[in-house]
Amino acid sequence: DAGVIQSPRHEVTEMGQEVTLRCKPISGHNSLFWYRQTMMRGLELLIYFNNNVPIDDSGMPEDRFSAKMPNASFSTLKIQPSEPRDSAVYFCASSSGQVSYNEQFFGPGTRLTVL
Amino acid sequence: DAKTTQPTSMDCAEGRAANLPCNHSTISGNEYVYWYRQIHSQGPQYIIHGLKNNETNEMASLIITEDRKSSTLILPHATLRDTAVYYCIVRVAEDYKLSFGAGTTVTVRA
Repeated sequence: DAGVIQSPRHEVTEMGQEVTLRCKPISGHNSLFWYRQTMMRGLELLIYFNNNVPIDDSGMPEDRFSAKMPNASFSTLKIQPSEPRDSAVYFCASSSGQVSYNEQFFGPGTRLTVL
Repeated sequence: DAKTTQPTSMDCAEGRAANLPCNHSTISGNEYVYWYRQIHSQGPQYIIHGLKNNETNEMASLIITEDRKSSTLILPHATLRDTAVYYCIVRVAEDYKLSFGAGTTVTVRA
């Protein structure tokens, strides 16, 4: 099992550019989560998908952030335009079943630096 | 509003048991206790969870007090690879959110 796959692992971009982060959840998992981690704010949930449908996007910081899940095996998190304060590590996680206390499996993260 | 309180950091010796405390004095009857850890530069990793009874798996044991106001995660034989930030989280089964606090930074020393 390859686990949750994220790409790219590192991204350096300039302010104002569009950034797209990608995630492939574990096969068979029907829940997908995007988190952001910074030193100041720790780990924060950005958005939660269940069966490819966004259920809770209350953690998405502002309209510059958007997330999609076109199918069960792929999700994207897009930032347009990017700002230096978006610099963080972004994690994707997936879990199985309808029962939410199932464990979440995290990917290795994407370290984003916006100059 | 933090639901759990953990020490900021702790050291332990390689090969010895590491006992990580967590206070959750306001826990509700239907809330579970979860433990995750995050090794440097990696994503968080699930360790164990429990409701009332003590639990054990291949990674650790979870001891929950009878009043459920506190718990202890036990790593039976700590290794250098167990150096990580350990997060204690409480949530109801229906809640998909994992609210990570600051956790305990555990350093295992040779």
